[in-house]
Amino acid sequence: GAVVSQHPSWVICKSGTSVKIECRSLDFQATTMFWYRQFPKQSLMLMATSNEGSKATYEQGVEKDKFLINHASLTLSTLTVTSAHPEDSSFYICSARLSTPGSYNEQFFGPGTRLTVL
Amino acid sequence: AQKITQTQPGMFVQEKEAVTLDCTYDTSDPSYGLFWYKQPSSGEMIFLIYQGSYDQQNATEGRYSLNFQKARKSANLVISASQLGDSAMYFCAMREGRGDYKLSFGAGTTVTVRA
Repeated sequence: GAVVSQHPSWVICKSGTSVKIECRSLDFQATTMFWYRQFPKQSLMLMATSNEGSKATYEQGVEKDKFLINHASLTLSTLTVTSAHPEDSSFYICSARLSTPGSYNEQFFGPGTRLTVL
Repeated sequence: AQKITQTQPGMFVQEKEAVTLDCTYDTSDPSYGLFWYKQPSSGEMIFLIYQGSYDQQNATEGRYSLNFQKARKSANLVISASQLGDSAMYFCAMREGRGDYKLSFGAGTTVTVRA
């Protein structure tokens, strides 16, 4: 159990276009999802916390107008990179918090999306 | 200040041997949780093991065990009987009891298992 999917797994786009990444919890409901960014051989950097039905909470230094997050249902959160530029190229990973009785409230991660902006 | 410190950028281990990955943490919150995740080259993050700050015993999950030394603020991961499939990056993470469930990750340790 506790499977999280992400789509697409990789995307190449032109500079100036927008890209939407979907994160779904497949077998559990997640009131909280998280979006991370990871550069090669580096750690995960939290971008924002997404709560179902409310506005996302962004970490310091993350532009909320550039990285639009929507958490419209208990199983789906989306990240839209608007007007993407080459410096936005990265590996984006989402996670969903499992909050069932007996869980550790651990985060289960999606497989990631590799974004390349040309 | 860094909340999670992993001082070993990379480690080599012989197949079937045990390896210990270091993790120290910094928090003033009495309630916190410590997690270890594995990230193979494919990129997915795999949850391995959890230790709560109030847990009296060290956590174990199959070949993974956590050496929790609360006074030293360390939570080292021990992988026993290493397998080639254990080659990956390993991250230590901490969740403090603030209610937002955010994780702070360490820099990670790359483990390479040699046949």
